[in-house]
Amino acid sequence: SQTIHQWPATLVQPVGSPLSLECTVEGTSNPNLYWYRQAAGRGLQLLFYSVGIGQISSEVPQNLSASRPQDRQFILSSKKLLLSDSGFYLCAWSVPPGNNEQFFGPGTRLTVL
Amino acid sequence: GDSVTQMEGPVTLSEEAFLTINCTYTATGYPSLFWYVQYPGEGLQLLLKATKADDKGSNKGFEATYRKETTSFHLEKGSVQVSDSAVYFCALSGLGTGFQKLVFGTGTRLLVSP
Repeated sequence: SQTIHQWPATLVQPVGSPLSLECTVEGTSNPNLYWYRQAAGRGLQLLFYSVGIGQISSEVPQNLSASRPQDRQFILSSKKLLLSDSGFYLCAWSVPPGNNEQFFGPGTRLTVL
Repeated sequence: GDSVTQMEGPVTLSEEAFLTINCTYTATGYPSLFWYVQYPGEGLQLLLKATKADDKGSNKGFEATYRKETTSFHLEKGSVQVSDSAVYFCALSGLGTGFQKLVFGTGTRLLVSP
């Protein structure tokens, strides 16, 4: 069966520090991968998606970036965190094409102080 | 562009009460529709889905019917439990081959008291 992992589970970082969040998927090949952010009391915002290794599409301009160095690995990064980057970050995957259900990881709670 | 509108929360109910969470959408054509649930501190889980008009998705006592004429996908449950307390997200997925992007509503928090 397929599983999706995210780490770390929680993170507290000072403003201006770098960020690296990792997501890996097991049990499937060539998945579509997604990064979402959920700010406190708000809905889900799609940040990035990827349909293959090295292929990244950005939905919202910001100081975050994403990379997909391997088929089942998706990384969210920042060189300098802002206070507004605080939130709950969710990674998800789906089977392309023709199946549009997404499967979510457990999330990473990021607090920027 | 495509969008999803959900009722504002929180929705506060007593155990065994009837639940309705409204969801309406705007989309080109006939998208697939989903309800996801997020329990405290966790990621989202698919609760149910419907892929064409008049389909009814159901799971764990929850139901939602894809209504093309009213562009709605309201979530219902006949008797809620305390364990149903969570945030519920309505979402749609556009048509086409290849990449499929989900568009989410803002979520509705449900609080069920004993």
